[in-house]
Amino acid sequence: DQQVKQNSPSLSVQEGRISILNCDYTNSMFDYFLWYKKYPAEGPTFLISISSIKDKNEDGRFTVFLNKSAKHLSLHIVPSQPGDSAVYFCAASATGGTSYGKLTFGQGTILTVHP
Amino acid sequence: NAGVTQTPKFQVLKTGQSMTLQCAQDMNHNSMYWYRQDPGMGLRLIYYSASEGTTDKGEVPNGYNVSRLNKREFSLRLESAAPSQTSVYFCASSEGGNRIQYFGAGTRLSVL
Repeated sequence: DQQVKQNSPSLSVQEGRISILNCDYTNSMFDYFLWYKKYPAEGPTFLISISSIKDKNEDGRFTVFLNKSAKHLSLHIVPSQPGDSAVYFCAASATGGTSYGKLTFGQGTILTVHP
Repeated sequence: NAGVTQTPKFQVLKTGQSMTLQCAQDMNHNSMYWYRQDPGMGLRLIYYSASEGTTDKGEVPNGYNVSRLNKREFSLRLESAAPSQTSVYFCASSEGGNRIQYFGAGTRLSVL
């Protein structure tokens, strides 16, 4: 039962263009969403997050959009740079009870930005 | 500023051997977590500790035990390693009221 899904295993983009990474979730109790970036042989690093009370959050070149009715979020990177090449994980969290603080991760999307 | 430190970085075990993966954080975080990452599976929660003195099972706890030694340290033990436990293991920590988790660099474990 995959509650968080990233259906695109990989994405290839030209430098300077927009990268759009997608994530879908099924659990309506999720109220906080995060994106992590992971380089080979390193641990995931936090990139950007969004609360369910918002539909957009922006941090420099990175913007996350949340569509609660569709249970869908996306990460936009503009402009894409070769250093953005990494695996991107979507994660979700629910408030309350035994769920609090725990993250459920998607499978990850490998982003390759070509010079 | 070390953050979350995991040891060892690499380990090869034979089936049936035991080992303990160590994790320490220097951010004074209350909560700590152990995940495993397998190809195509993302990160799956093995065990977590919401605060010092408490531990709880995550999504895939079978074959593992944990110890929250103190606020800084959270160890993961494989009592009798199996090839299915070949994976990359990540430790993470977070402050209680903050859902952002900070990860270590991982331990790559192979069980032959």
